[in-house]
Amino acid sequence: GAVVSQHPSRVICKSGTSVKIECRSLDFQATTMFWYRQFPKQSLMLMATSNEGSKATYEQGVEKDKFLINHASLTLSTLTVTSAHPEDSSFYICSARDAQVGAGELFFGEGSRLTVL
Amino acid sequence: AQSVTQLGSHVSVSEGALVLLRCNYSSSVPPYLFWYVQYPNQGLQLLLKYTSAATLVKGINGFEAEFKKSETSFHLTKPSAHMSDAAEYFCAVIPGGGGSNYKLTFGKGTLLTVNP
Repeated sequence: GAVVSQHPSRVICKSGTSVKIECRSLDFQATTMFWYRQFPKQSLMLMATSNEGSKATYEQGVEKDKFLINHASLTLSTLTVTSAHPEDSSFYICSARDAQVGAGELFFGEGSRLTVL
Repeated sequence: AQSVTQLGSHVSVSEGALVLLRCNYSSSVPPYLFWYVQYPNQGLQLLLKYTSAATLVKGINGFEAEFKKSETSFHLTKPSAHMSDAAEYFCAVIPGGGGSNYKLTFGKGTLLTVNP
């Protein structure tokens, strides 16, 4: 199946710094990617939908100035957590849709664990 | 709004026993339904999906699920549990027909433990 790669898998940063997480579709083009956040022992919460060449669509309650999403190419979307604080510590997961594959299939990255000290 | 409910946040079975993880959805139009598995500190892997074709769906690792419209259910089963099946399982839904909107809504997850 299609492969989605996230980098870095783990990142530790100081409070107030910004962190960028990359999501790449390795063997297919993804016009749409999705970013999720997962707290310990909880489900995935959709943060935003990233569309290639246009602005991301954020879910209600997600600060777009806090979580900057860029989808500059068909194989890369980035999530930047700006001025990170300890409450931003979480597991962030991206997914991408391969338009060439059958209905409704999304492929997920391995996730990125952010720890803000 | 679409939603999915997973009954039981934790299911424990013995190795070799039947695995049954429950999922119910609410939707006025038959949705697309999915089961994903997540191992610790990893992303999600698709087990199987229902997209309005056969109601009994077979997936990877011996799992299968049956779409029952009358019960609005999509329970996940496996005849014989292996130790390697221990993980978190998520049921997810996409609004009926998919269309251009592929936003998944996830259930809260069920942690499966397998006892030797």
